[in-house]
Amino acid sequence: SQQGEEDPQALSIQEGENATMNCSYKTSINNLQWYRQNSGRGLVHLILIRSNEREKHSGRLRVTLDTSKKSSSLLITASRAADTASYFCATDRAGNQFYFGTGTSLTVIP
Amino acid sequence: GAVVSQHPSRVICKSGTSVKIECRSLDFQATTMFWYRQFPKQSLMLMATSNEGSKATYEQGVEKDKFLINHASLTLSTLTVTSAHPEDSSFYICSAPVGGVTDTQYFGPGTRLTVL
Repeated sequence: SQQGEEDPQALSIQEGENATMNCSYKTSINNLQWYRQNSGRGLVHLILIRSNEREKHSGRLRVTLDTSKKSSSLLITASRAADTASYFCATDRAGNQFYFGTGTSLTVIP
Repeated sequence: GAVVSQHPSRVICKSGTSVKIECRSLDFQATTMFWYRQFPKQSLMLMATSNEGSKATYEQGVEKDKFLINHASLTLSTLTVTSAHPEDSSFYICSAPVGGVTDTQYFGPGTRLTVL
C-alpha cells in the first residue's frame, strides 16, 4: 500500500514562479526522498532528507521535513519549462523498502 | 553515477503468454532490488523485494505465482509476468539501492508492457 499522499495532485505555474509540493506520510521514517519522473520515463533522484534533518537545499530545490507532522515539502524556485514533470516523495520503512506518494504533476508554462 | 538498466523497454504480447523483464545494475552490485508497477497517471506501487540468493518478498495483494522474481546474481533480477492478461498492462520499474543500504535508490528506465 502507498505510504504517502501528496498535494496538490496537479500544479500549473508560469515560468519563473516558484512551485511548492507537499507530501504527508503515515508512519515513522528513517529518511524521505523526492524523485522526478518525466512522462513515461524512469525516475530521477532529486534529494534525500534524513529524519534528523529539517531542511536541505540542492540548487533550485529546497526540501523541508517536519517529522512531528509527518510531512515534507519540495520547493522549486525560479521554475523552468523543463521542470515540467511528475514529482514523487518516497519514504522508507524497515526492510529497506520504499513507498511512494501519490505524486504531483507540475506544468510550467513558458 | 550508478546506473540501472531494464530490458526490454517496451513489449507487446498476446494474452496468455509470459513476459520476462530484466533489471541490471551496471556498475555496482545489488543484493536487493525492488520491483514497482505504475498504472497511467498513478504513483509507483511496490510489488516485491528481490533478494539475491533467496526468495523474493511480495507485498500484500501481489500474486507470487503470477509475478515470478529471480535474483540469480548480484547484478541481475528478473520479473516474469506469467500468463499475462490485459489488466497486467502497466509500466514496470525496478530499482536498486547503492551500497546495500537504502540511502538512495537508482531506478531503471522502466518497461512498458501491453497485453493484447
